[in-house]
Amino acid sequence: QVQLQESGPGLVKPSGTLSLTCAVSGGSISSSNWWSWIRQPPGKGLEWIGEIYHSGSTNYNPSLKSRVTISVDKSKNQFSLKLSSVTAADTAVYYCARIRITRDAFDIWGQGTMVTVSS
Amino acid sequence: DIQLTQSPSFLSASVGDRVTITCRASQGISSYLAWYQQKPGKAPKLLIYAASTLQSGVPSRFSGSGSGTEFTLTISSLQPEDFATYYCQQLNSYHLFTFGPGTKVDIK
Repeated sequence: QVQLQESGPGLVKPSGTLSLTCAVSGGSISSSNWWSWIRQPPGKGLEWIGEIYHSGSTNYNPSLKSRVTISVDKSKNQFSLKLSSVTAADTAVYYCARIRITRDAFDIWGQGTMVTVSS
Repeated sequence: DIQLTQSPSFLSASVGDRVTITCRASQGISSYLAWYQQKPGKAPKLLIYAASTLQSGVPSRFSGSGSGTEFTLTISSLQPEDFATYYCQQLNSYHLFTFGPGTKVDIK
């Protein structure tokens, strides 16, 4: 059973870079699935950030594209998110998720990690 | 960009009630529509994909229908564990994912 676990700092300073990692267990990141990051500000809805394939191919939400980098480390079976120039508006629970092989929905989610942007 | 709207945004219901939530897309999205359930402090859980296909392990009281621009999620007989927020999600032709604003189902 594939499981995902997010990790990273819970507090980031304004104008800094948010960095998170998603560890994949119980399966290989080199499977036929794409992998994704999604966030949810406190009390609000879900926002898709972007996705990556094990080859390194990526797609990003146009609203965040200029600040987002998603990368993959096959040797560690994990993928990562970097979001630069953060502001308080980036405060959210960040989830990593697996995309179904048909690339139409997110079938496995991590538990989420809260990141607060504050000085 | 394709926008998703959900109605109602809030729903008060009793155990045993039949509940229907609607998701509308600003443009046709074929059947690329999924539904999720989220409980407080938890990650969303996939219920339905491709508009009407039940995800493995999801109770059969959940069902989905629709295509094009209008979709529905139905819970045939609401159970205590079903009180949660429900989100629809679409995949557009540019391979970008968008979520609806959510529908909170609360206890009457």
